[in-house]
Amino acid sequence: GNSVTQMEGPVTLSEEAFLTINCTYTATGYPSLFWYVQYPGEGLQLLLKATKADDKGSNKGFEATYRKETTSFHLEKGSVQVSDSAVYFCALTLNTGGFKTIFGAGTRLFVKA
Amino acid sequence: DVKVTQSSRYLVKRTGEKVFLECVQDMDHENMFWYRQDPGLGLRLIYFSYDVKMKEKGDIPEGYSVSREKKERFSLILESASTNQTSMYLCASTSGGQVYGYTFGSGTRLTVV
Repeated sequence: GNSVTQMEGPVTLSEEAFLTINCTYTATGYPSLFWYVQYPGEGLQLLLKATKADDKGSNKGFEATYRKETTSFHLEKGSVQVSDSAVYFCALTLNTGGFKTIFGAGTRLFVKA
Repeated sequence: DVKVTQSSRYLVKRTGEKVFLECVQDMDHENMFWYRQDPGLGLRLIYFSYDVKMKEKGDIPEGYSVSREKKERFSLILESASTNQTSMYLCASTSGGQVYGYTFGSGTRLTVV
């Protein structure tokens, strides 16, 4: 079946550290891949996306590359800030009826000043 | 920007009550979704709709129903609320196509006592 696996958290970093959150997927067909972010008490927001192999999505200093050969979509940021503290969800959407999305379990990031 | 508005941020209901959660989007999106979010379980799809008066069961539809009488509004109904339905409920919408990602509402935190 289709699934998304991401690294368990929490991840705790100091400000200006390098961030990697790993995400791998299993899918039939050719999914689009997404990262969403959820700040405390809020809904999810789309952070970035990639719709085909080798695409790189980027936004607000975050980036992720769609790697078909390793079925991965790892999230990276070169220098995190305290304001990046949130839960990050990796997700895939297939071109099936209704365009349902499958989410990973989420990874909580804490950034210390 | 697309907005998805959920009518309540917090709700407290009694066991056995019929509960309505409302979701409205303002960008003419065809597809709308209801998820619940629980610690350790991530996001689980309850129901979705890809057109007015159309609905499809998601992964955990038991104890829930939905209504979509107008394109912009998608309601989640708990027929007889139970304590195990205490959760964060998230509504999302997207236009047709797998490449667009979802826009989420801010969520409704429902407590059933």
